[in-house]
Parts: sequence; C-alpha cells; structure tokens
Amino acid sequence: DAKTTQPNSMESNEEEPVHLPCNHSTISGTDYIHWYRQLPSQGPEYVIHGLTSNVNNRMASLAIAEDRKSSTLILHRATLRDAAVYYCSTYNTNAGKSTFGDGTTLTVKP
Amino acid sequence: NAGVTQTPKFQVLKTGQSMTLQCAQDMNHEYMSWYRQDPGMGLRLIHYSVGAGITDQGEVPNGYNVSRSTTEDFPLRLLSAAPSQTSVYFCASSHGGVGEKLFFGSGTQLSVL
Repeated sequence: DAKTTQPNSMESNEEEPVHLPCNHSTISGTDYIHWYRQLPSQGPEYVIHGLTSNVNNRMASLAIAEDRKSSTLILHRATLRDAAVYYCSTYNTNAGKSTFGDGTTLTVKP
Repeated sequence: NAGVTQTPKFQVLKTGQSMTLQCAQDMNHEYMSWYRQDPGMGLRLIHYSVGAGITDQGEVPNGYNVSRSTTEDFPLRLLSAAPSQTSVYFCASSHGGVGEKLFFGSGTQLSVL
C-alpha cells in the first residue's frame, strides 16, 4: 500500500489561498488520490479526489503531479471554518481501502 | 439519512475484557472498513470487507476480529483488551465503484485501563 507524507502543520491568513502538499511516491497506477478533512471530535469528511487530471469542486481544487508522486490540495480562499486536519490518502479501488498520511493541521488566522 | 452509525461513542474497559464495537450503514454500500486513530497520527486500517461474507486484514489487525454477515453491519471485536488498544475507532463505508469516496462514522473513543 502506498504511503503518504504530509507536513505536520501549516498556517494561513483568512481569505488567502492555501496549498497543502502531499507526497505519495509509491502510489500504484490504479490508486486514486483522496483528500479528507477532520474537525475535532468528528469523523473525517471527504473533500476531493482524482486519478491523473486536476480536479475542481465546490470545496477545493486538487493538483496532481504528472508522475502522480505528489499532489496539492488548494483552498482558494481560506475561511476560519477551514481550520481542520487535512488527510491525504491513496485509495485502492479493488479493495475499497485507503492508506492515510498523518495529516496536516491547518490553522487559519483572522 | 443516518449514513454510518457507530456505537457506543465512548467506552472504558479493563485489561483483558472483550467487547464489540458496532458499525451500521444504511447506504447499501458494499465496502466497509475499520480504522484506528491515535493522537497525532493518521488513520490506520484494521480490517476491511468488500461484501457480505468477505473480510481481510489491514495494516494493524492483531487483537481484533471482524465478520460481515450482512451488507449493513460490520462489527469489530476486541478479544482481550490491552492498553495499547486505547484509541479512537472509525468505521467507514463506500459504494465500491472506481475511486469512490469513504463515508465515516463519528467514531468510538475507547480507553483500556
């Protein structure tokens, strides 16, 4: 299973963009890249996922490196509600299981 | 729409006791899995299932058993609780299609004394 590596913490100012990086250098060709976020005392919540191409949804954008060994979650305008722990994971479609990194704690300053 | 429901939310056990953490989903998802989360760490996979009657071990299966007799339920059994099993446990489910996202329960906080 592909291991993911993320920075322990990052800070951002409110209304500024945030780029959260993730390394997954051992990802297999069929594994998807998923991002989740977790608020205190809650379960992780899905944010976005992709395979090879960059992806956008209402919550965020996902930029995937051409060699798929890294990806970046982009929050275009951070709000105080975006303060959370963000997890990058690789998803094995055949088994329906994910391998998670240790997460990045995002602090958003007003 | 309940989603993924975990019970209990909190549990305290003594070393050597056994118990079952319950997980149920009402989304007709084929895939279900159990993770544990320790302070400052990510989620580690304990066991997973791709359908009723089919289970497999994840990254940290020792000390835990699972079974999947129905699509809806995926209980996690601690055979003889140890302090090292103190953790927050999350159950997750997914439809099982290509790239499908996981839906998580709200977790069970377990303390083993």
